[in-house]
Amino acid sequence: KNEVEQSPQNLTAQEGEFITINCSYSVGISALHWLQQHPGGGIVSLFMLSSGKKKHGRLIATINIQEKHSSLHITASHPRDSAVYICAVRFGGSEKLVFGKGTKLTVNP
Amino acid sequence: DADVTQTPRNRITKTGKRIMLECSQTKGHDRMYWYRQDPGLGLRLIYYSFDVKDINKGEISDGYSVSRQAQAKFSLSLESAIPNQTALYFCATGEGGGVDTQYFGPGTRLTVL
Repeated sequence: KNEVEQSPQNLTAQEGEFITINCSYSVGISALHWLQQHPGGGIVSLFMLSSGKKKHGRLIATINIQEKHSSLHITASHPRDSAVYICAVRFGGSEKLVFGKGTKLTVNP
Repeated sequence: DADVTQTPRNRITKTGKRIMLECSQTKGHDRMYWYRQDPGLGLRLIYYSFDVKDINKGEISDGYSVSRQAQAKFSLSLESAIPNQTALYFCATGEGGGVDTQYFGPGTRLTVL
């Protein structure tokens, strides 16, 4: 079965801390996405990865294809980073995305 | 103006009523999707469409139907709403052709009493 697991489910940090959110998947993939869901519900795409690493501002996403694992890092976290972060993958041969359950991040001032 | 819009944004209805959720997009994408989100669960695919003449069931299509009226419009219907269809519903669009990024609407919060 094609599965996507995220950890932790919930994460609380103090402003300025370095944050890591993890995503593991069961079989080979074509692409992996990280998305952010704001407290108001809106969902935006942060990164799409098929290999290596991508960086945008304070956000860094990495993927290890051999280990079937991806991480999303946030440097110098800020309360405005508080959101649910969702990992989604497209398994090889499929046209659809499979989503993890999300990691709820709270950054306290 | 938002690229992907959904109407209504909130709806409360009663068991047995027929409900239609509408999605419109100005991104010019061929691919459109309907998802539902429940607390503690990931987004789950209800239906998807890769062009106007193409409709495909997702993993949880029972109790739902869709209509792709035009490239820009994709509607989701609940023929006879039941309480366990209470959820947050999202429409999304995508370019396809190996570009996986999906663009989400703001969501519709549906409550079935």
